[in-house]
Amino acid sequence: AQTVTQSQPEMSVQEAETVTLSCTYDTSESDYYLFWYKQPPSRQMILVIRQEAYKQQNATENRFSVNFQKAAKSFSLKISDSQLGDAAMYFCAYIRGNKLVFGAGTILRVKS
Amino acid sequence: GAVVSQHPSWVICKSGTSVKIECRSLDFQATTMFWYRQFPKQSLMLMATSNEGSKATYEQGVEKDKFLINHASLTLSTLTVTSAHPEDSSFYICSARGGTSGRALNFYEQYFGPGTRLTVT
Repeated sequence: AQTVTQSQPEMSVQEAETVTLSCTYDTSESDYYLFWYKQPPSRQMILVIRQEAYKQQNATENRFSVNFQKAAKSFSLKISDSQLGDAAMYFCAYIRGNKLVFGAGTILRVKS
Repeated sequence: GAVVSQHPSWVICKSGTSVKIECRSLDFQATTMFWYRQFPKQSLMLMATSNEGSKATYEQGVEKDKFLINHASLTLSTLTVTSAHPEDSSFYICSARGGTSGRALNFYEQYFGPGTRLTVT
């Protein structure tokens, strides 16, 4: 079975600080895609960053970057210079073929 | 970017009635659309996958006769909750994955609608 595990139900970070959200996944495939989605209070799902498994280089999008460890099946998200607008629920997701498999989510609180 | 809309954004209906939720891809053709259900502070649960012009594929445990899905065109999918009951109250989200419409899209990427909050009284 394909599973995605987010071991941190909630995280807090001070504004302007850095926070890392953890994600591990389980797959027997060699080629796949990984995503981090953000769901703010509006509940609109927003794609934060994606990683293609065949690429060894870690993806980055402005203040967001990932630490992709393929052998360890780990895909953590680092948010630098945290802003109040980063407060949301973050979902790690794995995709192969048609379906997205989501982790349970991590609620991120940003303190001013 | 690719935009997906849902209508209505929220709906209240009485127990025993049916309610239809629409999902539209506004600027691209969606070959595949997905329907999710989400309870408060929980993850998204995939209910079904629909491809234009064919029957939807339901996930295990999802009642196909209760949650009717129609993907009539490359830009529209509908979810009808039949004979709704209070336990069907939830947040329903659709997403779409598609080909090109004026610009290239990552085939594997899903674009999400804003969701529909259903309350059954």
